[in-house]
Amino acid sequence: AQSVTQPDIHITVSEGASLELRCNYSYGATPYLFWYVQSPGQGLQLLLKYFSGDTLVQGIKGFEAEFKRSQSSFNLRKPSVHWSDAAEYFCAVGAYNQGGKLIFGQGTELSVKP
Amino acid sequence: DGGITQSPKYLFRKEGQNVTLSCEQNLNHDAMYWYRQDPGQGLRLIYYSQIVNDFQKGDIAEGYSVSREKKESFPLTVTSAQKNPTAFYLCASSILRQGDPSGANVLTFGAGSRLTVL
Repeated sequence: AQSVTQPDIHITVSEGASLELRCNYSYGATPYLFWYVQSPGQGLQLLLKYFSGDTLVQGIKGFEAEFKRSQSSFNLRKPSVHWSDAAEYFCAVGAYNQGGKLIFGQGTELSVKP
Repeated sequence: DGGITQSPKYLFRKEGQNVTLSCEQNLNHDAMYWYRQDPGQGLRLIYYSQIVNDFQKGDIAEGYSVSREKKESFPLTVTSAQKNPTAFYLCASSILRQGDPSGANVLTFGAGSRLTVL
């Protein structure tokens, strides 16, 4: 079955520290991969996406993610976290023949300590 | 600025009532989607539409209905048949472009509507 797993429900990091949010997927076709961010009570904003090519992708707000096919992973990273990064982060997977029918992970809530 | 407008932001419903959530987009996107969000469960697809007057069920369509009479509008009705309707509902849209299937996967989301059943 197709699925996306975000193993960490909640992560707390100190401001200025580095961040890595984990995402593993199970998908039969070549995946399209996404990270979205959601502030409380708001919609989702696209951080970055991977379709093909370079496996290290850069996104907005200083985020990057690396696609590792052998590990079925697409982890999100940021070298230095800012207090404004506190939010919920969702990993999602799609495919060329699935239109916008994405499968989302359960989300990881990020808290940032001063 | 282009975007997706969802209304109302908050909605309360008594058991047995139908309610309709509005979703309007001015992005000229072809496809529109409704997702449901519950705590700890991520987002799940309810319905989607790629063209006016046509729509398909997603993973959790039971108890919901939609219409797509205009390209810009994709309202969702939560019927009394939906057993557990309290949730956060998100509308999204994307471009459909011949020869470029990737664009269809890039979703733009509205700010959401929170439905609470009393």
